[in-house]
Parts: sequence; structure tokens; C-alpha cells
Amino acid sequence: AQSVTQLDSHVSVSEGTPVLLRCNYSSSYSPSLFWYVQHPNKGLQLLLKYTSAATLVKGINGFEAEFKKSETSFHLTKPSAHMSDAAEYFCVYSGAGGTSYGKLTFGQGTILTVHP
Amino acid sequence: GAVVSQHPSRVICKSGTSVKIECRSLDFQATTMFWYRQFPKQSLMLMATSNEGSKATYEQGVEKDKFLINHASLTLSTLTVTSAHPEDSSFYICSARTSVEIQYFGPGTRLLVL
Repeated sequence: AQSVTQLDSHVSVSEGTPVLLRCNYSSSYSPSLFWYVQHPNKGLQLLLKYTSAATLVKGINGFEAEFKKSETSFHLTKPSAHMSDAAEYFCVYSGAGGTSYGKLTFGQGTILTVHP
Repeated sequence: GAVVSQHPSRVICKSGTSVKIECRSLDFQATTMFWYRQFPKQSLMLMATSNEGSKATYEQGVEKDKFLINHASLTLSTLTVTSAHPEDSSFYICSARTSVEIQYFGPGTRLLVL
């Protein structure tokens, strides 16, 4: 069965320092993977997606993620954190086969805190 | 980008009453919409897949008679929580799919059952 695991429930960084949010996936198929961000009391916003094209994916707001098949990872990074990046981030897997086709499976979420 | 709205954003109701939540795709047509539930400090859990003009497909453990889903048009899906109880209090989020790969999410509806 396919799944995603976010390795950190909370990440705290200082403004201006790099951000690393970790995600590992488990899949029998070539996965489609996404990162979504959820700000308090707001809907989920798509940051970026990987769908078997380039392994380094650039998203909005300076975020990017690298798909590494050998490590089954899809970590999200940003070179320099901004206060407005404080939110909850979800790594998401899209089912590719059978009854899971097109369904999203969410990781547990990582809350990012940015200190001044 | 594609915009999905939900109404209401918040609702408080008495135990035993029914509550209807609307999900609309504002600038695109969505043959498929999804309903999720999010408990505090937890991730989103898929409840059901709603296809326009056909019956919804429910995930294991979700009561179809409790959570009625109607997808009567390409831009509107509704979720009705029937005979709501306090344990149904949660954050309900819908999404609409433009392609197999992309889902756009609504802002969510916070339901509190007293």
C-alpha cells in the first residue's frame, strides 16, 4: 500500500535561515507527489508537484523539492525562511493505480515555526 | 488559478439536527470532487469521492447514511451531516479536481455540534 511519512511534526527555524521539511513515501507505482501548505483558518494551497518529469521541482514562494527514488524521499526546502512561511505543510501522495487512482493520501503534517 | 469555495465557513448546531455544507468550483467545471475531514492537530482523511451525476464512493469506515453527498452539477457538491452529534464536530474540507493530478481545495467548514 502507498503512504507518505513526514518525519518531523514540528520544525522551528529563524527568519533568513534554510528550511528543510522531510517526507518519505512508499509506493508500488511511480508516484505523483505534492506539497501543500495550510495557513491557520485558510484552505490548502498547492506549493508544488512532482509527476515523473524533472526530479527537482520548483514551486511557489521560493520552495522547491527533490524527488529521490533511491531514498524514496521528497523533501521540501527553501533557502531563506520568511515569517509568512509559518504554517502547516503536508506531503501528499496521489494514487496511481486500481481503486486508489487519483486519490490523495496526506502525510501527518509538519508545523513550521519561524522566529524573528 | 482555480478557486473552490465552501459555505458556510463555520456552523454551530444542536445535536440531532442536520447540516448541509456546499462546495463550489467557481471558475472551472469539476467532474470529481472530494470530501475530507480534519480533526484538530491531525491530517486530512478522505471521506468520499463525489462524481457528477452518480453516487458518491465512500471510504471504509465512513457511514454513507450519515454523510449524504450530492453532486448535481459540474460546479456544486453538497455534504449533509444528518442527525449530527458532538463527535461529528470537525473541520470539513472539499476539493475539486481539474485533472487526475491536481486537486484544488476549499477553505473548509468548521462544524461544532453542541
